[in-house]
Amino acid sequence: QLVLTQSPSASASLGASVKLTCTLSSGHSSYAIAWHQQQPEKGPRYLMKLNSDGSHSKGDGIPDRFSGSSSGAERYLTISSLQSEDEADYYCQTWGTGIHWVFGGGTKLTVL
Amino acid sequence: EVQLVESGGGLVKPGGSLRLSCAASGFTFSSYSMNWVRQAPGKGLEWVSSISSSSSYIYYADSVKGRFTISRDNAKNSLYLQMNSLRAEDTAVYYCARDLNGYCSGGSCTPTLADYWGQGTLVTVSS
Repeated sequence: QLVLTQSPSASASLGASVKLTCTLSSGHSSYAIAWHQQQPEKGPRYLMKLNSDGSHSKGDGIPDRFSGSSSGAERYLTISSLQSEDEADYYCQTWGTGIHWVFGGGTKLTVL
Repeated sequence: EVQLVESGGGLVKPGGSLRLSCAASGFTFSSYSMNWVRQAPGKGLEWVSSISSSSSYIYYADSVKGRFTISRDNAKNSLYLQMNSLRAEDTAVYYCARDLNGYCSGGSCTPTLADYWGQGTLVTVSS
C-alpha cells in the first residue's frame, strides 16, 4: 500500500533554513512526489514536483528559497532564509495508476 | 492566470444533499482531468473523486462511492460534485484541483500531481 509519512511538526528561526521530510512506503522508493504549501485559512498551493533522482520543477512564482532533494525513499523540501509567511502546513502528494492521489499527513511549520 | 472558484457549500442535515460547483478560468478546461479533495476540520487532505477531460473516466474514494457523483460541463468550464446521503464525517472544506498531466489509455487513467487549487467551500453536516 502506497503511504506517505511526514512528521507532524517542525520549527526553525526567522532567516534560518529548515528541511522537511516525506517518506514513501516500502516498495515505492522510485515514486515522484509533489510538495504543497497551505497557509492558514487558505487553499493549498503547489510548490514543486520532486523526482526520485532529486530533480525538481517548481510551480509558477515559487521563490528560489524553496528547493527539493531525494535520498532513497525520502523526499525533502528545504526552505532557506525563512520568512514569517512560510509558517504553514506542508503536504506531500504522490500518485499512480489505480492509486489516484495520496497525501501525507502534513507537517506544521512554525517560524520562531 | 489560472483560477478555480468553488461554491455551493453550507449547512445540511445528515441524510441531506448538496451540490458543489467549481468555476475554472485561465486555461483550456476541457484538456485537463479535474479532482475534488476535502479537508476535515484540523485534519489533512483526502482525495475524493476525479474525472477525466472528456468525462469518460470517473473515480471515487471508497468513503464516498455510491453517495457522491462528479461531473463536468466543458462548455461552461465547470466542475460539479453532487453529494447525497451526507454524513457527519463528510464535514470538510472541499477543494477542486487540476491535474497537471493526467492521461488515460487502455481503459484506465494515470493521474499526476495537483498543480492548481481553489480556495475551498465549507460543507457542514449537522442536525
